[in-house]
Amino acid sequence: GNSVTQMEGPVTLSEEAFLTINCTYTATGYPSLFWYVQYPGEGLQLLLKATKADDKGSNKGFEATYRKETTSFHLEKGSVQVSDSAVYFCALTYMNRDDKIIFGKGTRLHILP
Amino acid sequence: DSGVTQTPKHLITATGQRVTLRCSPRSGDLSVYWYQQSLDQGLQFLIQYYNGEERAKGNILERFSAQQFPDLHSELNLSSLELGDSALYFCASSSHDRLNTEAFFGQGTRLTVV
Repeated sequence: GNSVTQMEGPVTLSEEAFLTINCTYTATGYPSLFWYVQYPGEGLQLLLKATKADDKGSNKGFEATYRKETTSFHLEKGSVQVSDSAVYFCALTYMNRDDKIIFGKGTRLHILP
Repeated sequence: DSGVTQTPKHLITATGQRVTLRCSPRSGDLSVYWYQQSLDQGLQFLIQYYNGEERAKGNILERFSAQQFPDLHSELNLSSLELGDSALYFCASSSHDRLNTEAFFGQGTRLTVV
């Protein structure tokens, strides 16, 4: 079945460090891929998405590229801030009307000032 | 604001009781998902409805049930509650049209079973 695997956390970095959170997926065909972010005490919100191979999603300095050859969608940011501390979820779904969204387990990120 | 409304925000109840969580999806979204988030289990998919019909079932206990009404709001019913049911319960909605497949999440209902 379809699944998403992301690196386990927590990940602790200093402010201005480079961030990578790995995400790989198992799926047939061409799913859409997403990164969601959950700030403390809040619900999940979409961070970025890519709907086809080689697409790059970007938002708030974060980027991820849809790599079909490696079935990956790694999240990167060049210089993290304390305000980026949150839990990050990689996810996939298909553009069909009744396909569920499959989430990874989430990676908690702590940024130290 | 995601446009998805969940009520109540907090709920404290005793073991053995039954509660109902409510979700109003974004205007126009036909799909509603329920997720349970606990510290040790992460984000667990419970169930999905699409336009009133159940579409997918995840790790939902038999003590739990859900439905989606004609006006597209959804309710999650949790019965014979146990301490381990304490968690954040999220509702999400999506339109599943070609360009907008992402889900929009509500703020969640924090359930505490004592």
